[in-house]
Amino acid sequence: DAGVIQSPRHEVTEMGQEVTLRCKPISGHDYLFWYRQTMMRGLELLIYFNNNVPIDDSGMPEDRFSAKMPNASFSTLKIQPSEPRDSAVYFCASSFSNSPLHFGNGTRLTVT
Amino acid sequence: AQSVAQPEDQVNVAEGNPLTVKCTYSVSGNPYLFWYVQYPNRGLQFLLKYITGDNLVKGSYGFEAEFNKSQTSFHLKKPSALVSDSALYFCAVGTNAGKSTFGDGTTLTVKP
Repeated sequence: DAGVIQSPRHEVTEMGQEVTLRCKPISGHDYLFWYRQTMMRGLELLIYFNNNVPIDDSGMPEDRFSAKMPNASFSTLKIQPSEPRDSAVYFCASSFSNSPLHFGNGTRLTVT
Repeated sequence: AQSVAQPEDQVNVAEGNPLTVKCTYSVSGNPYLFWYVQYPNRGLQFLLKYITGDNLVKGSYGFEAEFNKSQTSFHLKKPSALVSDSALYFCAVGTNAGKSTFGDGTTLTVKP
């Protein structure tokens, strides 16, 4: 089991650019979550999917943020246009039913 | 609404001494309670969970937690701390794993 795989590990971009973060969940898991971690706000749930369908996106901060899950093995989180305040570590996590979450190692995003 | 509080930003203990990291929660219905640990530049890792059953839950790396319904607490404990236990610890509560709400985290430092 390779675990949850996120790419890239680090992303540095300029304000106004589009950023795409990628996630491959653990095979067989039916829930996928996107979290954002910052010193100021801690760990925030942005959106989660069940069986590839978005269930709750109330944590998505603005329309600049969008997430998709085209199939059970892949999800993306897109920010367009990016802003410096989007700088954070973004985590993807997956789980099966009500089991504990398995987190990826995150993508550290820096927007200059 | 559900919430979780970790009243201590930092806990410092000497190696070999017992440790406690505190967590209190608020949730409607029966709670799902979790502890996760985060090492630098890594995602959160699951330690242990309480959903039902025995109030004393044993988890990974010698950690345990006690569910106390009357005090709405779920404190993390270990009888003898190791330097390698130094990390950031998160308590989480939810009525299902999808909508878990995380605390702000407690930094545990174990000194030799």
